[in-house]
Parts: sequence; C-alpha cells; structure tokens
Amino acid sequence: AQSVTQLGSHVSVSEGALVLLRCNYSSSVPPYLFWYVQYPNQGLQLLLKYTTGATLVKGINGFEAEFKKSETSFHLTKPSAHMSDAAEYFCAVSDATSGTYKYIFGTGTRLKVLA
Amino acid sequence: KAGVTQTPRYLIKTRGQQVTLSCSPISGHRSVSWYQQTPGQGLQFLFEYFSETQRNKGNFPGRFSGRQFSNSRSEMNVSTLELGDSALYLCASSLAPDRGDSPLHFGNGTRLTVT
Repeated sequence: AQSVTQLGSHVSVSEGALVLLRCNYSSSVPPYLFWYVQYPNQGLQLLLKYTTGATLVKGINGFEAEFKKSETSFHLTKPSAHMSDAAEYFCAVSDATSGTYKYIFGTGTRLKVLA
Repeated sequence: KAGVTQTPRYLIKTRGQQVTLSCSPISGHRSVSWYQQTPGQGLQFLFEYFSETQRNKGNFPGRFSGRQFSNSRSEMNVSTLELGDSALYLCASSLAPDRGDSPLHFGNGTRLTVT
C-alpha cells in the first residue's frame, strides 16, 4: 500500500529564509502528488499538484515542489518565508492500487515563521 | 462559485448522544469524502460517496455512518458518542474522482467536542 512520509512534524524558519518541507512516498509507480496547506480553524487548501510532465511544479503563494522519481520525493520549497506562511502543510498522494483512487495524506508539518 | 459548506461549524455533545454533520459540495461535484482530524492521529479517512453510493470506507467503527443525497449533499452521523470522537471533521468534494489528478476541495470543517 502507498504511504507518505513527511520528515519533521515541526519546522521553524526565520522570515525571509528558505522554506523546505520534505515529503517522500512509497511506490514504484509515480502517483499523483499534492501539497495542501491548512491555516488555523480552516480546511485544507490545495497549494500545487504533480500529475505528469514537468517535474518542477509551481503553486500558489510562491511555493513550488520538485518531483524526483529516483528519490521518491516531492519536497516543497519557497525561497523566502513570510509570516503569513505559518500554517500546517500536508503532502498527499492519489493512488489507485485498490481499484479506485484514494487519497493518502502525510502526518503534516507545522511551519513556524520567526520574525 | 461557492466552496464546500459544512454545518454546523462548532458542536458540543455529551457522551452517549448522537450527532449529524452536513456537507454541501461545490456545485457539479458528485464525490464527497469525510475525514477526521485530531492532533494525535492526523487526517483519518472515514468514507467517500459518489452518486449516492459509498465507494470507499476507512477503518472506523460502525458508529460512524454517512449518506449522500441525489443533489450530492452529504451527511455523516456518529452514534453513541465517545470522548475520543472529539475532533475536526472535514468534508471534501471532488469533480472527477475517477481521475487521480482531480484534487480534493475541503470545507472549513465541523469542530465536535464531546464532554
């Protein structure tokens, strides 16, 4: 079965610093990959998704992620953190090994941005 | 276009009671999924409905049930509430669940507190 691992349940960065949130999936067949963000007292919002084609995917709010098949990774980055980026981030895969597509979410990484 | 609407936003119930949560998907979306989110367990998949039929089910006891109506609106019910059922319940809709690249669109959730 597919699984998604997010390294680091909490990440702190200084305002203006690089944001790097890690995500690894387990599959020999590249799945569909997503990053979602959740602000306090809200639902999850899609940041970006990888389906096929270009391995560098650009999303909203200046975030991007690179699909690396050899490393089974889909890490999320942003060149310069802003205070408004403080939130919880979830990596997810969409997998059809059970016959119908199912979403599998990672455990989330809470990003703290320090002034 | 209106997003996914969940009602109520907050709910306080007593152990042993039952509760019904409601979800209206984005217009045109026929798939609705439910998730339970807790600090300790993260996002746990409850079930998915498509065209009034349950397509997938997570590992939750029979006290958790759901249904979908012909207008794609969905309800979930939890009977005989336990303290551990306190959580944020998220509903998500999808336009094309048979396509793995179709993202989930989440509502803001119902915060259930069981005392």
